[in-house]
Amino acid sequence: KQEVTQIPAALSVPEGENLVLNCSFTDSAIYNLQWFRQDPGKGLTSLLLIQSSQREQTSGRLNASLDKSSGRSTLYIAASQPGDSATYLCAVRPNSGYALNFGKGTSLLVTP
Amino acid sequence: DAGVIQSPRHEVTEMGQEVTLRCKPISGHNSLFWYRQTMMRGLELLIYFNNNVPIDDSGMPEDRFSAKMPNASFSTLKIQPSEPRDSAVYFCASTPWGRLNSYNEQFFGPGTRLTVL
Repeated sequence: KQEVTQIPAALSVPEGENLVLNCSFTDSAIYNLQWFRQDPGKGLTSLLLIQSSQREQTSGRLNASLDKSSGRSTLYIAASQPGDSATYLCAVRPNSGYALNFGKGTSLLVTP
Repeated sequence: DAGVIQSPRHEVTEMGQEVTLRCKPISGHNSLFWYRQTMMRGLELLIYFNNNVPIDDSGMPEDRFSAKMPNASFSTLKIQPSEPRDSAVYFCASTPWGRLNSYNEQFFGPGTRLTVL
């Protein structure tokens, strides 16, 4: 069974810092990997999706990379802002199925 | 586009009562997923449908849970009888599975927060 791990579980940084969130997965046979943002008491907002054939995707201040062979993905947030405070979830869709396997998330707090 | 719509947003019920959660996927999406989120276990898949047909229900915890998708624009998740351990946030997601130029990105609804007393 695919296991998805996110490190760190929680992170607090001052505004303006660049930061990296990590995601690892045990089975490299993936179809794609998706990063989500979840605000307290809210649903999930899709941030970036990387196909298995891709190495990275960028959207604004966000950059996600994928190293399928080593089972790792990173989400880079540039020039962090207090509005970036949320829980960030990594999810992997395996080749053999269609449902996403989620990590437990990284809770990010950006302080002014 | 209104996105994935779920109702109710919050549900408080007593143990033993029947609970029905509802989901309307994004128009044109032919795959629908039900997930459950708890502090202990995180987000887990319960069941998913493709073209209204259940494909994988191995995540449904037990016979008390059932899900239907009578048409492309509506799905229900029913718990009968409900128990306190069913308390969680239930999310519905949809995707245009298999469509040309689709990356199968999943779009989530706002969730239903269920509390069983």
